[in-house]
Amino acid sequence: NAGVTQTPKFQVLKTGQSMTLQCAQDMNHEYMSWYRQDPGMGLRLIHYSVGAGITDQGEVPNGYNVSRSTTEDFPLRLLSAAPSQTSVYFCASRWTGGGGANVLTFGAGSRLTVL
Amino acid sequence: GQNIDQPTEMTATEGAIVQINCTYQTSGFNGLFWYQQHAGEAPTFLSYNVLDGLEEKGRFSSFLSRSKGYSYLLLKELQMKDSASYLCAVMDSNYQLIWGAGTKLIIKP
Repeated sequence: NAGVTQTPKFQVLKTGQSMTLQCAQDMNHEYMSWYRQDPGMGLRLIHYSVGAGITDQGEVPNGYNVSRSTTEDFPLRLLSAAPSQTSVYFCASRWTGGGGANVLTFGAGSRLTVL
Repeated sequence: GQNIDQPTEMTATEGAIVQINCTYQTSGFNGLFWYQQHAGEAPTFLSYNVLDGLEEKGRFSSFLSRSKGYSYLLLKELQMKDSASYLCAVMDSNYQLIWGAGTKLIIKP
C-alpha cells in the first residue's frame, strides 16, 4: 500500500517556465489537496478536490491550476513559475466521513526552487 | 480572521516531559489535530480531539478545551527521536484545516 505518492522530489525551474507536480493515492480517498510550506508559516492550502471532476480554490490559488479526472490522481500545474513559488509542496488526501476519518495522509513532499 | 498560535521553538531534556500549547480562533470547530514533522519529511498524524478532555496515546497525550480555544500536546519520557516540529491544526466549519506555524522541539541529552 503506497499511500500518497508525489513526484518529483526536487525541481529547479527558471522564472516563466511551467511544470506539473504529480500526486497519486491508492487509498480511495475522496478528498485530495495541495499545500505549500514556507519557513515560519503554517501549511497553506492551494487547491483541493472532494471527488473526481470537482476542484476548488484554497487560500493561495494564484499561479496554480489543478484537475481531478480520476479518484487517484490530482496534479498541480504551475503556469508560469515565479521566485515567490519557491517552496515545499505537499499533496495530502483523506476520507470525507467526518470526525477521526478526517486525518490527512501526506505525500513525501516536492521541493521546488524557482530562479 | 482565523488564527492558530503556538510557540516557535522549545527546548527540553531527554527523559523529561514537555507541553506544547496551541490556542486558536476559527470559524467553527470540527476537531483539532496534532501532527509531527521531522526535518525534511512530511507531517504525520499524532492525535485528534473533538471533545473536551485528555486523549492519551502512549507517551503522547493531547488536551482540548473548546471554551478556551486551547489545546496542548504533552510528550513524556522524551527521546532524541522526538526532536521535530509539532503542528497544531483546527478543522473549521467548512471542514478545511487551519494550520499553526509549528513548534520546533529541540531535545538535549
